[in-house]
Amino acid sequence: NAGVTQTPKFRVLKTGQSMTLLCAQDMNHEYMYWYRQDPGMGLRLIHYSVGEGTTAKGEVPDGYNVSRLKKQNFLLGLESAAPSQTSVYFCASSYQRGLALPNEQFFGPGTRLTVL
Amino acid sequence: EDQVTQSPEALRLQEGESSSLNCSYTVSGLRGLFWYRQDPGKGPEFLFTLYSAGEEKEKERLKATLTKKESFLHITAPKPEDSATYLCAVQGANNLFFGTGTRLTVIP
Repeated sequence: NAGVTQTPKFRVLKTGQSMTLLCAQDMNHEYMYWYRQDPGMGLRLIHYSVGEGTTAKGEVPDGYNVSRLKKQNFLLGLESAAPSQTSVYFCASSYQRGLALPNEQFFGPGTRLTVL
Repeated sequence: EDQVTQSPEALRLQEGESSSLNCSYTVSGLRGLFWYRQDPGKGPEFLFTLYSAGEEKEKERLKATLTKKESFLHITAPKPEDSATYLCAVQGANNLFFGTGTRLTVIP
């Protein structure tokens, strides 16, 4: 199993450009998440999905959009990139059913994005 | 306000020198506390989940404990390969909060 994979690994954008980050998981997990990690700050949740066709806002959703058209894929889009979006982006997935106790998340290797 | 605080920010240990990392939390309705390990340039890797005060979990040289206010990650006789950033995350009633981590360096 590949687990959680992310594409691309690195990207440099100019202010105003757009891009899409792709996350894929092969563990048949229901939940998927997008985080950003900045120096001196904990991982912050951008958006998440509790199942195919559903998405929800996290702690820092502004400037990002997401889609979950297939259970195994979760896409993060930046429509008009800003320097403040320079960060390392992590995708994660977890198995979660109803009111079950929360399960651990499995993280991808990350995408390092620089916006000039 | 829900929050997670990890201490110390950085810790340097000699190989074999045991120590503990702290994760203090304030959260409404604790549903679970997680410990992750993160190596430079990689994503966090799951270590432990603790669900209730008094619970303990062990894995090799690591032992995680949980009280109503904090969790400790005890490292016994660490080796250089234990060098990493250790992240704590707390699942409350509505959200999951990550701490900023403790960067551990084990010197041979």
